[in-house]
Amino acid sequence: AQSVAQPEDQVNVAEGNPLTVKCTYSVSGNPYLFWYVQYPNRGLQFLLKYITGDNLVKGSYGFEAEFNKSQTSFHLKKPSALVSDSALYFCAVRDIPGTGNQFYFGTGTSLTVIP
Amino acid sequence: EAGVAQSPRYKIIEKRQSVAFWCNPISGHATLYWYQQILGQGPKLLIQFQNNGVVDDSQLPKDRFSAERLKGVDSTLKIQPAKLEDSAVYLCASSLSRNEQFFGPGTRLTVL
Repeated sequence: AQSVAQPEDQVNVAEGNPLTVKCTYSVSGNPYLFWYVQYPNRGLQFLLKYITGDNLVKGSYGFEAEFNKSQTSFHLKKPSALVSDSALYFCAVRDIPGTGNQFYFGTGTSLTVIP
Repeated sequence: EAGVAQSPRYKIIEKRQSVAFWCNPISGHATLYWYQQILGQGPKLLIQFQNNGVVDDSQLPKDRFSAERLKGVDSTLKIQPAKLEDSAVYLCASSLSRNEQFFGPGTRLTVL
């Protein structure tokens, strides 16, 4: 069964420091992986995705994520955190091609960037 | 490009009442999703449409929830009758093929 796990409910980081939000996945085949961000009272916004190719994926707002097949991880990173990055972050995996288009979302990680 | 539109943004009802939510996806997006997001949790897929056909409704509580997408464009999600545990944000999303989903702002439902 396809699933995704976000082991940390809360991450705190000082402004200007690098940040990492962790995600691990479990899929039957090659994964399609995504990161979304949710600001208060807003819908989810797409940040970046990994389909194939380079393991380091760059996305919106200076975020990037590294696909690691051996560790089945897709951690979200940013070199220098901003206070405005404080939000809820969701990792998602799409099931293998040909079996449907369902997304599986993690439980979310609340990121707080401290000024 | 216009985003995914949802209405209403907020709804407060009493238990056992009925409620309906509307979603208009991004033009040209064949796939439409309805999610339920309970406070503190990730979105849970309720139903997925491909054009006007249902692809997956395995997690839709069919005794009280229904959804339709008659012309393959906009969609409605209905709850009848509502229960207290239905209080949540209902998110609509659309996508092109197997690419990323684009989400609407959501409808926050409070059942009293």
